[in-house]
Formats: sequence, C-alpha cells, structure tokens
Amino acid sequence: EDKVVQSPLSLVVHEGDTVTLNCSYEVTNFRSLLWYKQEKKAPTFLFMLTSSGIEKKSGRLSSILDKKELFSILNITATQTGDSAIYLCAVRSGGSYIPTFGRGTSLIVHP
Amino acid sequence: GAGVSQSPSNKVTEKGKDVELRCDPISGHTALYWYRQSLGQGLEFLIYFQGNSAPDKSGLPSDRFSAERTGGSVSTLTIQRTQQEDSAVYLCASSLAERSYNEQFFGPGTRLTVL
Repeated sequence: EDKVVQSPLSLVVHEGDTVTLNCSYEVTNFRSLLWYKQEKKAPTFLFMLTSSGIEKKSGRLSSILDKKELFSILNITATQTGDSAIYLCAVRSGGSYIPTFGRGTSLIVHP
Repeated sequence: GAGVSQSPSNKVTEKGKDVELRCDPISGHTALYWYRQSLGQGLEFLIYFQGNSAPDKSGLPSDRFSAERTGGSVSTLTIQRTQQEDSAVYLCASSLAERSYNEQFFGPGTRLTVL
C-alpha cells in the first residue's frame, strides 16, 4: 500500500521566516510527486516533481525531490500572511492513476 | 477557460436525507475524481472516472455512496440516508488523462453538514 507522510503536521511562524515542509513516501513504481496549497477548500497546484535533484521554483516557493531517500521538501522564503494554508503532498505511482495524499502541513504565518 | 466547478458550495441536511453533489470538470478533461476531506484529515479518495471505462469505486465508504458521470462530463455524487459522519468537504478534481504526469485541477468543494 502506498504511503505519504508529511511533517510537521502544523507550523506557526512570523512573517519573514523561512519554512521547510517535508514529504516522505513509500510507493511502488514512483511516477511523480505533487505539491498543492489549500486555502479554504480547493487545493491549487504548486509543483510536480519527477526527477531527483532538479529544483522547481516559483517566486518564494521552491521544491526538490530526492528519489533515493524517498522524500521531497517544499521551501517558502520570506513568508507572508498569505502563505497561511494547508500544504498537501501527493504521490502518483505507475501502478495506479489515483494519487496518494498525505495529511498535509498546516502553516500559519503571523504578521 | 473555466475551472472545475461544484455545486452547491454548502449543504446542510438532516440525518437520513439523501443529498446530491454536482461537479463540472474542465472541458476536455477525461479523468474525474471525487475525494472527501474531513476536518484535519487528508484527502480520502472516493471514486474515479476515466472516459468511457468502468469507474473505480474502490474508495466509496459504503453502499450509501454512489456516483455517475453523464456523457463523459458532469458528475453527480449521491449520498443516501446521510449520517453525521458523512459531514466533510467533498472535492472534485479533473485532469487531462489518467497518465501519471498530468496534474489534477480541483473544484472549490462542497461542504456537507449532516445534523
């Protein structure tokens, strides 16, 4: 059974801090790892990672995958209150078209 | 291009009633997923549709849950004889195809509250 574990479950920081969110996985025949940001209800897509060591970057957010150690990190630099959300990690394997989601990390950024 | 839409956005019902939740996927997306998210929990897979293939219903928690997708587009999730534990946000997502390299686009969800 595929498994995705995110840590920490929750995080409270102040504006300007840098945070690192972790996602580790155990899947058979890994295909891709996805990060989503969930504010209120709908998750919005952030990154899809398929290759080790290649950083994906979008503004203050970046993510990288380590397929040998089976984890990914999502970094947010100079956090803002608008970064407050639940960050979801999901992994897709070649054996299933249904991604396996972690429970998410709840990030709260205080002004 | 419109994104995935869901209706209603909120639904409050009494225990024992039936409810129908609707999802309009992005036009041209052949894959459609339903998930459930309870408070503080991750996304729980419910059912998956891909084109004209038989749906994967392996995530449906009980026979009170059913879903259909008409004409390969709009999908309806039906919960019969609702229970309080059915209270959750029901999310629909669509993607271009079932291949693992296509990301899912989520709708805004329906928050279901069963009293």
